[in-house]
Amino acid sequence: NAGVTQTPKFRVLKTGQSMTLLCAQDMNHEYMYWYRQDPGMGLRLIHYSVGEGTTAKGEVPDGYNVSRLKKQNFLLGLESAAPSQTSVYFCASSPPGSGHFYGYTFGSGTRLTVV
Amino acid sequence: SQKIEQNSEALNIQEGKTATLTCNYTNYSPAYLQWYRQDPGRGPVFLLLIRENEKEKRKERLKVTFDTTLKQSLFHITASQPADSATYLCASLSYNTDKLIFGTGTRLQVFP
Repeated sequence: NAGVTQTPKFRVLKTGQSMTLLCAQDMNHEYMYWYRQDPGMGLRLIHYSVGEGTTAKGEVPDGYNVSRLKKQNFLLGLESAAPSQTSVYFCASSPPGSGHFYGYTFGSGTRLTVV
Repeated sequence: SQKIEQNSEALNIQEGKTATLTCNYTNYSPAYLQWYRQDPGRGPVFLLLIRENEKEKRKERLKVTFDTTLKQSLFHITASQPADSATYLCASLSYNTDKLIFGTGTRLQVFP
C-alpha cells in the first residue's frame, strides 16, 4: 500500500516553461488536494477536488491548473513557470467528510525551482 | 481573517523532558484542531485530532488540549526522545474553502 505518490521528486524549470506534477493515491479517497509550502508561510492550498471530474480553487490558485480525470490521479499544471512558483508542492488525499476526523494523507513532495 | 499561529522559534529540550508546543487561533472558532508531524524532506503525517467539546486527547506519549476560552491548543510529548525531533504543524478548517489550513509549524529538537 503506497498511499500518496508524487512524481517527480525534484525539478528545475526555466522561467516560462511548463510542467505537470502528478499525484496518485491507492486508498480510494474521494478528496484530493494540492498545497505549496514556503518558508515562513506554511502550507497553502492551491486547488482541490472532491471527486473525479471536479476541481475547485483554494487560497492561492493563480498560475496553476488542475485536472482529475481519474479518481486516483490529481494533476497540477504550471503553464508558464515563474520564479515565485519556486516551492515544495505537496499532494494530499482524504475520504469525504471523515477526512476531517482522520486527517489528510500526504505525499513526500516535489521540490520545484524556477530560474 | 482567520489565522492559526505557531511559535516559529525552535524548541530545544533535553531527552526525557516533556515538550509543549502551542497553537493559537484568531478570528474564528474551529470545530476541531489537528496536529501533524513533518520530518525534513517528507510530507506531514497526521497525529491527532481534538474536537472543541474535548478538553484533552491522548495517544501513547502524546497529549493534546483544546482551550476555547484562551483560543489555544497545546501539544505535549512526554518522555521525549531524539526520534521525536521534527516540525509539528497545527491545522484547522478554513471557512472559505472548507478545507484544512495550517500553521507554519514549530521545530522541536530533542537532544540526548
